[in-house]
Amino acid sequence: SQQGEEDPQALSIQEGENATMNCSYKTSINNLQWYRQNSGRGLVHLILIRSNEREKHSGRLRVTLDTSKKSSSLLITASRAADTASYFCATDGGGFKTIFGAGTRLFVKA
Amino acid sequence: SQTIHQWPATLVQPVGSPLSLECTVEGTSNPNLYWYRQAAGRGLQLLFYSVGIGQISSEVPQNLSASRPQDRQFILSSKKLLLSDSGFYLCAWSVESGVGQPQHFGDGTRLSIL
Repeated sequence: SQQGEEDPQALSIQEGENATMNCSYKTSINNLQWYRQNSGRGLVHLILIRSNEREKHSGRLRVTLDTSKKSSSLLITASRAADTASYFCATDGGGFKTIFGAGTRLFVKA
Repeated sequence: SQTIHQWPATLVQPVGSPLSLECTVEGTSNPNLYWYRQAAGRGLQLLFYSVGIGQISSEVPQNLSASRPQDRQFILSSKKLLLSDSGFYLCAWSVESGVGQPQHFGDGTRLSIL
């Protein structure tokens, strides 16, 4: 089935460094989304990139999409301890469904 | 602005007991509504979604059911809980139109089955 798979599963960096997370998916998509989840909380939508877009920015976030490789990356620049969370990519799963990957757990050390 | 409320935040139930989790959305009309389950350290498994009152689509056959008695109310139920029903349950909504719309999540219910 169509699903985003994040890589790496876990990432530990120092505050101020950049964090890059990757997502691969299997079939054609209309758009791809990235979400963030703090421990024990619901997911928060970060950014949506459409299939005809290659790059999108929002504050310290930069998302790229390569439909030929069926992959996307999320870059968080100048990371902060408050960025510690799990990050999920999600693709449209047909109809009104959204398919979420297993996530990357990011830990930013102060 | 739109808000989503989910309760209870935590729940401990014995095996074989019934379940009712409630989710309500404010500030929008005719939203798409979703129930997900998340195992520890894992992604989200879609359980049910609804595009309108009384319209429920089930993604995973199991002992859970969902109902949408009102436009902005979504209920997850079970007549008899199993140990495997433990997990973190999340409700979400999205606007009614379009494909792959951003979803907005509640803060979840942590369900432990003893």
